[in-house]
Amino acid sequence: DQQVKQNSPSLSVQEGRISILNCDYTNSMFDYFLWYKKYPAEGPTFLISISSIKDKNEDGRFTVFLNKSAKHLSLHIVPSQPGDSAVYFCAAIVGGGNKLVFGAGTILRVKS
Amino acid sequence: NAGVTQTPKFQVLKTGQSMTLQCAQDMNHEYMSWYRQDPGMGLRLIHYSVGAGITDQGEVPNGYNVSRSTTEDFPLRLLSAAPSQTSVYFCASSYSGTRRGNTIYFGEGSWLTVV
Repeated sequence: DQQVKQNSPSLSVQEGRISILNCDYTNSMFDYFLWYKKYPAEGPTFLISISSIKDKNEDGRFTVFLNKSAKHLSLHIVPSQPGDSAVYFCAAIVGGGNKLVFGAGTILRVKS
Repeated sequence: NAGVTQTPKFQVLKTGQSMTLQCAQDMNHEYMSWYRQDPGMGLRLIHYSVGAGITDQGEVPNGYNVSRSTTEDFPLRLLSAAPSQTSVYFCASSYSGTRRGNTIYFGEGSWLTVV
């Protein structure tokens, strides 16, 4: 059973609008969450993260929100740009290690 | 600064053959790991190492072997390839003792097809 779930396989957004990517998790022991971005034929690259003691973290156009009671996090991209078109993976870490548990990914397409 | 380097990038194997995927990092990272990515399943951890001489199993270790004789290198060995091992393999490295995701670096991936 997947502990990190991204239920939307794909999302299409118009350039300049907001992109919202969602992620749910089942393991209440997860204490750190990350979003990775992946282009075709490349490895995932870190985008933004959030500790479980926070409910929001911002970095430029990217904001991650965490709702611990709902075991839900979301990534907001505002404004969306065509270069944001990629696969976005939600991932979680439990404990002090660096073992990542990934969701299945969401393909974001930003149309110009 | 090369970061995390994986070789080969593409490989086709016959069922039953063995091979080694190479991974090297030049950042003096203690922690290295191997993931496989399959459609609809995200990336899953195969094996990891917290330092030279220390390895441990991840979520999907069966059919794979690893060793860590140096800090820089973490090869992944397929002992007897099976079609179920057709996948994209990613090596990652980071400093140990940190949970900051921006210090986990991934290689570009190795595409493996087993026929």
